[in-house]
Parts: sequence; C-alpha cells; structure tokens
Amino acid sequence: NAGVTQTPKFQVLKTGQSMTLQCAQDMNHNSMYWYRQDPGMGLRLIYYSASEGTTDKGEVPNGYNVSRLNKREFSLRLESAAPSQTSVYFCASSEVGRGTQYFGPGTRLTVL
Amino acid sequence: AQSVTQLGSHVSVSEGALVLLRCNYSSSVPPYLFWYVQYPNQGLQLLLKYTTGATLVKGINGFEAEFKKSETSFHLTKPAAHMSDAAEYFCAVSEGSGNTPLVFGKGTRLSVIA
Repeated sequence: NAGVTQTPKFQVLKTGQSMTLQCAQDMNHNSMYWYRQDPGMGLRLIYYSASEGTTDKGEVPNGYNVSRLNKREFSLRLESAAPSQTSVYFCASSEVGRGTQYFGPGTRLTVL
Repeated sequence: AQSVTQLGSHVSVSEGALVLLRCNYSSSVPPYLFWYVQYPNQGLQLLLKYTTGATLVKGINGFEAEFKKSETSFHLTKPAAHMSDAAEYFCAVSEGSGNTPLVFGKGTRLSVIA
C-alpha cells in the first residue's frame, strides 16, 4: 500500500519554464489537496478537489492550475515558473474534507 | 472562520523533560482537531486527532493532547522528551462543514537537547 505518491522528488526550473507535479493516491479517497511549505509560513493550501470532477482555490492559487484527472490522480501545473514559487510542494488526500489528511513525501522545487 | 495559532515557532527541551506545544483555535462550530509531525525531509504524518467524545486523546510515540472547549485549546504534551522527538509539529482544525479543508497552524519546531 503506497499511500500518496508524488513525482518528481526534486526539480530545478528556469524562470518562465512550465512543469506539472504529479500526485496519486491508492486509498480510494474522495478529496485531494496541494500545499506549499515555506520557512516560517507553515503549510498553505494552493488548490483542493473535494471530489472527482471538482476543484477549488485555496489560500495561494495564483500562478498555478490543477487537474483532477480521476479519483486517484491530482496534478499541479506551473505555467510560467517564477522564483517566488521556489518551495516544497505536498500533495495530500482524505476520505472527506474534514477527515484525516495523508501526505505524500513532497517535491522540492527550485526556480532560478 | 477557522484559524489556528501555535504559540512559539521554536521550543527547546532537554531529553527526559516535559514537552508542551501550544495550540489555540477559533471555530464557530464544534471542531475536529489534529496534530501532525514532520520529520526532516519528509511529509506530515498524523500524531493524534480529536473528533468527539473523550477530550483527552492519546496518539503515537507517547504524545497526548487535551481538548479544552472553554479555553479553545488543544495543547500537545509528552511526559519525557526523547531525541527522536525532534521535528516540526503542526496543529490543524476543521469546522467540519462537509468538504471544508483543514486549516493548519504555522508549526512549532521542537529541539531536544541531550
């Protein structure tokens, strides 16, 4: 049972490049989330998907897009990366919105 | 609206000493409350959670937390710190209106001194 998996683990981009972070869960959860973690800022919610077919903005959605591809997969896309998007990105899933969230191992992204 | 305040961004204790990490929340309805731990270069994992019922909740690794409605608090404690407890700890709250995501505090880094 892999839980929540994220790819890639590390990525370096140049300003203006695009990339997609992939997330998959095998727990049959309905809800999935994307967070970024920056020193002193805690976890900030970027986007979430309460159920398959729905997505909603979180606290810091600017510069990002998401796709809930199916019940298992939830991807995060940076269309034109900026140095301010240098961060560690975590994906999480839960059975329902108020339930326990299970986190992936994170993607460390650096934008030069 | 929900919010979570963790008092102290960094707490340092001696090995064997009491660990106390503070969390206060605001919520307009009975909340679900969580503590997560993050070890270096890893994702967050659940330590314990309060939903309903007994207000003293026991978690993994000897940690426990008490829900005090009158004080709107959910402080995390452990009687005796171990070196392996050094990590970052996050408190989170959910008002539980169906699909509302959790709101996380900014985290408290715990250092354990030998």
